[in-house]
Amino acid sequence: AQSVTQLDSHVSVSEGTPVLLRCNYSSSYSPSLFWYVQHPNKGLQLLLKYTSAATLVKGINGFEAEFKKSETSFHLTKPSAHMSDAAEYFCVVSLSGGYQKVTFGIGTKLQVIP
Amino acid sequence: GAVVSQHPSWVICKSGTSVKIECRSLDFQATTMFWYRQFPKQSLMLMATSNEGSKATYEQGVEKDKFLINHASLTLSTLTVTSAHPEDSSFYICSAREARGRGETQYFGPGTRLLVL
Repeated sequence: AQSVTQLDSHVSVSEGTPVLLRCNYSSSYSPSLFWYVQHPNKGLQLLLKYTSAATLVKGINGFEAEFKKSETSFHLTKPSAHMSDAAEYFCVVSLSGGYQKVTFGIGTKLQVIP
Repeated sequence: GAVVSQHPSWVICKSGTSVKIECRSLDFQATTMFWYRQFPKQSLMLMATSNEGSKATYEQGVEKDKFLINHASLTLSTLTVTSAHPEDSSFYICSAREARGRGETQYFGPGTRLLVL
């Protein structure tokens, strides 16, 4: 069984300040973890993924996430928010190897204030 | 690389008609494709998983006779909403996983917005 919890449904930051979107997971086996971004009326775009290699993962648009097994967390960060970062962000977990069924978090809406 | 397309992007139909949505992997072969449904301001809900050449596996609560899925080739899966009703109005998103190379990553299509009048 696996699950993912996004701790904040809505996050608001000022432009130029750091972004932190929190995600905790539970999985019986070694998980693969992903962050996707969805802009209004658009599909999902892969930001970054963790698949048992380096625990600090760098993604597109300056985002990165750190896999912490002891804390079962995979928080998404960015040093400086840009207006174009305003979107919905989904944390996703799937089991590594074989058939993988993914589980989505409920999403975190990021608002960037000018 | 790893582009997934959906067609149409928007569809408006009358109640009782059937609507077909196509999902294509443009630059890779996808042995497995997934169909999701997203309600406004909610997360994605997996409807079904389709494997090329075999019957789709539906999630609990999803009517397989209403949502017909066909994965006829390694680059194409279709979702047909049969006898659509207003409650079927939603944002439908497909994703595809490559046969090899990219492992577990799912690549998502841009979605199809269905409005049933």
